[in-house]
Amino acid sequence: NAGVTQTPKFQVLKTGQSMTLQCAQDMNHNSMYWYRQDPGMGLRLIYYSASEGTTDKGEVPNGYNVSRLNKREFSLRLESAAPSQTSVYFCASSVGQISSGANVLTFGAGSRLTVL
Amino acid sequence: QQQVKQSPQSLIVQKGGISIINCAYENTAFDYFPWYQQFPGKGPALLIAIRPDVSEKKEGRFTISFNKSAKQFSLHIMDSQPGDSATYFCAASIVAGKSTFGDGTTLTVKP
Repeated sequence: NAGVTQTPKFQVLKTGQSMTLQCAQDMNHNSMYWYRQDPGMGLRLIYYSASEGTTDKGEVPNGYNVSRLNKREFSLRLESAAPSQTSVYFCASSVGQISSGANVLTFGAGSRLTVL
Repeated sequence: QQQVKQSPQSLIVQKGGISIINCAYENTAFDYFPWYQQFPGKGPALLIAIRPDVSEKKEGRFTISFNKSAKQFSLHIMDSQPGDSATYFCAASIVAGKSTFGDGTTLTVKP
């Protein structure tokens, strides 16, 4: 099983450009998440989708949009990239049901984004 | 308001020593406390987790100690090895809810 797959792994953008980070999971998980990781700041939640058809803001949603395309796919879009969005982005998924292991997150390998 | 506070930010331990990382939480509704391990260039991966109905959980060289009254939990790595060098994140969540992470601890185990 591939688990959680993110593309691209690396991207360099100029200020004002737009791009979409893609994420897909093959574990039949209900919930999906986008986090950003910055040095000394841990993992901060950008957006999440508790189930197909729903999305909610996390801790740092400004400047981002998301789409839960279907149960497998959850994309993150930067409409007008800014240098402050330079970060490593992680997609994650979880079962999302009240059951054993429901809160276990499976992460992708990350997408390193640089905005010049 | 940071709901999960993690310390120290970095830790250097000699091979064979004990590594201890601490976390404190605010929200008493949290009922699931995992630790994630992240190697450079990789995504975090679940290492060990505990629910608040037990005070300790051990898996091999890794132990979580949990103090519900103090709202604190810690990760102990016994007989630390160079291969344990990684970044460790504590987290807390409500069942089936989203997770809140600590800021991470970079562990270096010197040979």
